Amino acid sequence: NAGVTQTPKFQVLKTGQSMTLQCAQDMNHEYMSWYRQDPGMGLRLIHYSVGAGITDQGEVPNGYNVSRSTTEDFPLRLLSAAPSQTSVYFCASSWDRTTNAGELFFGEGSRLTVL
Amino acid sequence: SQELEQSPQSLIVQEGKNLTINCTSSKTLYGLYWYKQKYGEGLIFLMMLQKGGEEKSHEKITAKLDEKKQQSSLHITASQPSHAGIYLCGADIRGGDMRFGAGTRLTVKP
Repeated sequence: NAGVTQTPKFQVLKTGQSMTLQCAQDMNHEYMSWYRQDPGMGLRLIHYSVGAGITDQGEVPNGYNVSRSTTEDFPLRLLSAAPSQTSVYFCASSWDRTTNAGELFFGEGSRLTVL
Repeated sequence: SQELEQSPQSLIVQEGKNLTINCTSSKTLYGLYWYKQKYGEGLIFLMMLQKGGEEKSHEKITAKLDEKKQQSSLHITASQPSHAGIYLCGADIRGGDMRFGAGTRLTVKP
């Protein structure tokens, strides 16, 4: 059982480049989300999805796009990377949070550096 | 997250000592989660508390939820080096929007 899989684990970008962080889960979870973790600031929610075809903004959505075409996948797109987006990104999933809140299962993280 | 404040921000204790980490919410808590993160790694789920007055324990870690005070505490008894890491509390703000505190960095000196 793979759980939540994030790729790539490490990435270096130049300012203005675009890229996609991939997230896949094999637990048939309805809910998926993306967080960024910066020193002293804990985890901040970027975007989340309560099911295929449904996405919503979290605390820090600017500069990021998401889509949820399947239950399994929830990619995070940076359209024009900026140094302020240097961070560690975590993808998480769980069963339906609106009716049955439970623990979030986290991926191992993707470390992104924007030069 | 401004919704969840954790204290202290960092903690250094001698092995064998007890310690407490607090998590205070600016809003009513309907569910509170505790996670542990080892440096440079992912997050490990510790416990979930859903009812006021609820208390859960796992090995030497006990968590309590005080809904009236909108606060949760995490207590570690007889700390060990394996307890070192970052402890984060999280809560559902609204359906799907789950926020976390800034974390408490714990160092246990042997």
